[in-house]
Amino acid sequence: EAGVAQSPRYKIIEKRQSVAFWCNPISGHATLYWYQQILGQGPKLLIQFQNNGVVDDSQLPKDRFSAERLKGVDSTLKIQPAKLEDSAVYLCASSPRTSGNEQFFGPGTRLTVL
Amino acid sequence: GNSVTQMEGPVTLSEEAFLTINCTYTATGYPSLFWYVQYPGEGLQLLLKATKADDKGSNKGFEATYRKETTSFHLEKGSVQVSDSAVYFCALDSGGSNYKLTFGKGTLLTVNP
Repeated sequence: EAGVAQSPRYKIIEKRQSVAFWCNPISGHATLYWYQQILGQGPKLLIQFQNNGVVDDSQLPKDRFSAERLKGVDSTLKIQPAKLEDSAVYLCASSPRTSGNEQFFGPGTRLTVL
Repeated sequence: GNSVTQMEGPVTLSEEAFLTINCTYTATGYPSLFWYVQYPGEGLQLLLKATKADDKGSNKGFEATYRKETTSFHLEKGSVQVSDSAVYFCALDSGGSNYKLTFGKGTLLTVNP
């Protein structure tokens, strides 16, 4: 079974530029998560989708971050404009709703904002 | 709100040494508890979990027991290997239908041959 796919793996941009990340969850997984992991910290949930609807986006900085999950499959996370403090690894995870609590993580995208 | 506190790293051990990584939590209700592991260059993967008090999760020689009285979920392994070198994250899910995880900061483990 293929795992969660993310691209790109690495991205370097200047502050005030925009950037987008892509995630393709495990086939059939209804729930999709985006996390931000700053160096030395644990992942922090940014947004959670159930199919193509948003379940929780309480920690998403909505003035600059946006995310969508069209057709309830793959998802994109966008930052516009980026700030220095957005430098982090952005993790995507998915979960089949019937499995309980386990989440399956992708390899992440490492973003550096200069 | 929910929170997870892990022991500060990094932890450096020799092969075959005993490992303990402490984890305590604060949560409302009856959380499920997890240990995730992140090997170099890879995504997080579930190592073990426990869903109620006194449950013991185990996998690959690692164990952790859900202690409600001490709000703890310490990770242990009797004899570590070089291949266990990774970052270990303790996490909780406070239940409900959203399956929302709260993570600790992670503990870097390095095992030397």
